[in-house]
Amino acid sequence: DAGITQSPRHKVTETGTPVTLRCHQTENHRYMYWYRQDPGHGLRLIHYSYGVKDTDKGEVSDGYSVSRSKTEDFLLTLESATSSQTSVYFCAISAGQGRYEQYFGPGTRLTVT
Amino acid sequence: DQQVKQNSPSLSVQEGRISILNCDYTNSMFDYFLWYKKYPAEGPTFLISISSIKDKNEDGRFTVFLNKSAKHLSLHIVPSQPGDSAVYFCAATDYGGATNKLIFGTGTLLAVQP
Repeated sequence: DAGITQSPRHKVTETGTPVTLRCHQTENHRYMYWYRQDPGHGLRLIHYSYGVKDTDKGEVSDGYSVSRSKTEDFLLTLESATSSQTSVYFCAISAGQGRYEQYFGPGTRLTVT
Repeated sequence: DQQVKQNSPSLSVQEGRISILNCDYTNSMFDYFLWYKKYPAEGPTFLISISSIKDKNEDGRFTVFLNKSAKHLSLHIVPSQPGDSAVYFCAATDYGGATNKLIFGTGTLLAVQP
């Protein structure tokens, strides 16, 4: 199994509060991604990173920001959580260099009340 | 606009029989395709992939078929086992992309009945 951890694994928060989710990898992979999974929508890309301090938006980036100050850590921040951001969030990593497989963390279930 | 489509939300199959999961795509630039399997409360796990230069790739009980002209791929599981019950996602990407981004379908829930 790829060395990917996510924290916290579960979180309940109130509308309007900031929330930060952490993804940590031990594989030294270049690419890191944040997805959300919702019924009927599959996995949708929020933001991704192609190197330290190099990030870009995915298809559902509104209301989210990311940071990557070290190869191993990729943070996802909800600046002001809304109920529509209740979801399961997955981090993934990819080696690049002709390898296209992404390996996923265990997920974080976030509930915004 | 859904570039990768899995039109069957669910599929039920008897143990020992063949499971066929289907996936269609609209972007002709896609040239590498992957299947992932996901159990409840776990992250998706990579299952099998295929490049557009091939029309078939096999790994044990799992075979992926690609029909480029129809923009269609399928995953065959033979024989199906109860442990195969999970959500299956197909995904696609293009070799020219510098970001290794994948586009996922909405998933098909496979239930293998003992």
